[in-house]
Amino acid sequence: GAVVSQHPSRVICKSGTSVKIECRSLDFQATTMFWYRQFPKQSLMLMATSNEGSKATYEQGVEKDKFLINHASLTLSTLTVTSAHPEDSSFYICSAGRDSYTGELFFGEGSRLTVL
Amino acid sequence: TQLLEQSPQFLSIQEGENLTVYCNSSSVFSSLQWYRQEPGEGPVLLVTVVTGGEVKKLKRLTFQFGDARKDSSLHITAAQPGDTGLYLCAGDYNQGGKLIFGQGTELSVKP
Repeated sequence: GAVVSQHPSRVICKSGTSVKIECRSLDFQATTMFWYRQFPKQSLMLMATSNEGSKATYEQGVEKDKFLINHASLTLSTLTVTSAHPEDSSFYICSAGRDSYTGELFFGEGSRLTVL
Repeated sequence: TQLLEQSPQFLSIQEGENLTVYCNSSSVFSSLQWYRQEPGEGPVLLVTVVTGGEVKKLKRLTFQFGDARKDSSLHITAAQPGDTGLYLCAGDYNQGGKLIFGQGTELSVKP
């Protein structure tokens, strides 16, 4: 399957700071990427659809100004958590592309954010 | 807004027992996927079902897709500790590649 890389895998920051997470498609171009958030032992919650060269489409209830998404190239989307607070601590995971036969999503490794 | 109801959300059983996880929606899926996820990692695809009434088997795991393509189930026979993990169903409603995930089932199989 295609390779999607996410960085950093873990980040700890102080409350009030901003954190940027990168999602890269390594061996293919992705006009669309998806950002999910996951709390411990819970499912993936779709936050937004990142569209190359245009604004992201946010799911209902997700704050656009809080979670800034930029998809400036066909291989890179970034999620910036602005003015992070402890309640933003979570596992953030991106996906890019789908297998044309199985429909499988290609996920990044995920990023564990801890806000102190 | 499509909703995908997955149950149960938590399941703790003894090794050797059987179990079934359900996934239901009021909307019709174009396809449905089942994933398994380990802590700190991304989900890994187990199976994709596309045709109404379809049954797929993966060793001790049996996946069914409802005739109307609105529901699905995952049955594990003779569960083993290695089956422990988070199981996720994800429905494709033909919305540009976006999948909607169920709430997940945290399975714990005790030896």
